[in-house]
Formats: sequence, structure tokens, C-alpha cells
Amino acid sequence: SYVLTQPPSVSVAPGQTARITCGGNNIGSKNVYWYQQKPGQAPVLVVYDDSDRPSGIPERFSGSNSGNTATLTISRVEAEDEADYYCQVWDSSTDHLVFGTGTKVTVL
Amino acid sequence: QVTLKESGPALVKPTQTLTLTCTFSGFSLSTTLMRVGWIRQPPGKALEWLARIDWDDDKFYITSLKTRLTISKDTSKNQVVLTMTNMDPVDTATYYCARIIGYSGHYYFDYWGQGTLVTVSS
Repeated sequence: SYVLTQPPSVSVAPGQTARITCGGNNIGSKNVYWYQQKPGQAPVLVVYDDSDRPSGIPERFSGSNSGNTATLTISRVEAEDEADYYCQVWDSSTDHLVFGTGTKVTVL
Repeated sequence: QVTLKESGPALVKPTQTLTLTCTFSGFSLSTTLMRVGWIRQPPGKALEWLARIDWDDDKFYITSLKTRLTISKDTSKNQVVLTMTNMDPVDTATYYCARIIGYSGHYYFDYWGQGTLVTVSS
């Protein structure tokens, strides 16, 4: 089965840039989606199709995807960005939707 | 406005069968390319996709749980039902239903329910 690996945690000071990686075999050939999940809440889509933002998501959130790594970048980090973040792809070989292991972003 | 809401028992005993219902509004599962899925999240752990049902009644399951899961829909009631047999304490989790956008290699969840916590304990 297809595996997506994320760092367990990322710490960042307010106003700085947070980068969250999502590693998978040839992930650059897939479309990657990113979700933000705050404690006690359902996940919210923040990036779709590698780098597009749904309406209402701040421009501070951006994404990229190449080779074996996709990256979610949060620029000018704010306290409200503290949350868990998950990447997700569709594995065409199994028709499974696959989530990454998740990354906890802490704003110092 | 798209909304989804999960309902079902908060507590089930080991070996019992869990039945969860997702009631949604703002779209119809009889519309081409509409899909709904179930995802679970054990306390403090990652999200795990479980199952998906499509507008044409195609059904897909995570391989590791395929023998225990059944997904179905009632289009007239705007509901999707997930059953999971032989529940075990490791199945304790928050269970979410979500609408899936899926076409030509693009599959993702755009709207989620609030989730329902299911605890498996005797």
C-alpha cells in the first residue's frame, strides 16, 4: 500500500515560515491535498491539487509537489495556525484515499 | 450549503457490530460524480480512510478492513450507512463522514461532518 510520511512535529515562531513535508514514492506524479485539524474539530481542506487554495483560506498557505516530496508552506505564521496538518493522495493502483502520518505545528 | 452529520452509538461492546449513519444536505448522491466516504481517527492518532460509495453505487474499502466493512446509501433519505463488524477496543475512534470530490485522478474531501466518537469497551 502507498505510504505518506510526515515529520511528527514542526515548531515555528510567529511571523516566520513553516514548511511541512510529505514524502511518498514518486508523489510528484500524484495530486496532493492538505488538511488542517485543530483540537476537537474536523479537518479542513487548506490546499488542493498540490498548490491551489479553497476560498476562504489565507494566501499564507501554499503548496508544492515534486519528485518524492510534497510541501505545505505557511508564511508569516500566526498563532491560529497551530494545528495538526495532514497530506492526502489518491492511490490509483488500489483506489484508496491515503492520509499522511500527520504533523503537529507548534507556534512558539 | 453542504452539511454532513454522523450519528450512531457512542459505546459498543467488543464483538458487536457498529452501525453509523451519515445524513447530508446540499447535494445528492444520485448526481453524477458525487461520492461520500468514511474516515476514522483513534484518539491522538492520524486520520485513516475506511470506505467510499459513489453516485453509481460503486463501493471501495480499505484493504485491511474490507472483510468487516459495508457501506450503503439511501438516496431518498440523503444518507450513507457504514457497518463494521466484530468491533474491538482498537476500533475506538472518532468516525467522520465527508463528501469526496473525485474525477480524473483528483480525489479529496471538501466537506466533513463534525465526527462521532465511538468507544469499544465491555
